Amino acid sequence: DGGITQSPKYLFRKEGQNVTLSCEQNLNHDAMYWYRQDPGQGLRLIYYSQIVNDFQKGDIAEGYSVSREKKESFPLTVTSAQKNPTAFYLCASSIQDGLEQYFGPGTRLTVT
Amino acid sequence: DQQVKQNSPSLSVQEGRISILNCDYTNSMFDYFLWYKKYPAEGPTFLISISSIKDKNEDGRFTVFLNKSAKHLSLHIVPSQPGDSAVYFCAASPSGGGADGLTFGKGTHLIIQP
Repeated sequence: DGGITQSPKYLFRKEGQNVTLSCEQNLNHDAMYWYRQDPGQGLRLIYYSQIVNDFQKGDIAEGYSVSREKKESFPLTVTSAQKNPTAFYLCASSIQDGLEQYFGPGTRLTVT
Repeated sequence: DQQVKQNSPSLSVQEGRISILNCDYTNSMFDYFLWYKKYPAEGPTFLISISSIKDKNEDGRFTVFLNKSAKHLSLHIVPSQPGDSAVYFCAASPSGGGADGLTFGKGTHLIIQP
């Protein structure tokens, strides 16, 4: 049963702490993406990776970091440098240069 | 500068009628367009897509129309059903694939009234 999993669904952190959001896919997709959604906003691209051990910044990469050590996994770290970290975070994947992206269920991060 | 615009934040339609969701884009490099449907606290799910070589694509109750000269696309849902109530995102990509991700609009919240 292929798909994308994100865990946990809800995450709470204190301001000043780094936090890592998990994203795993078993679709054998090469490309993976992280988006952020805020109320009244579309999805904004944070980072993307076309292949293992390679990734590029998206439109709003400041305050975030990623790694792509395995094809199946693309964790996102929200650092203390991110000024407004509270948001709904979505991970997606696609085949190499694929146009259709498949999304995970999302993680809602609340930082207080 | 928004490259993909969905100018209606919300739309209310009576059950059984047609829902028309609109999307405009500014980047002439966009060649492939997708619609996603999203329920609260869930990830978006792919609905329907269209490439610039077509002006219409139909899948069941969903039809997407593309007017390339006007840089405008629309999603028609006929007939509208209660389960269609969700936020709909228009997304666009340049030809050659989504190498740097899709560009999304801000979404339109569709509300189907009984």
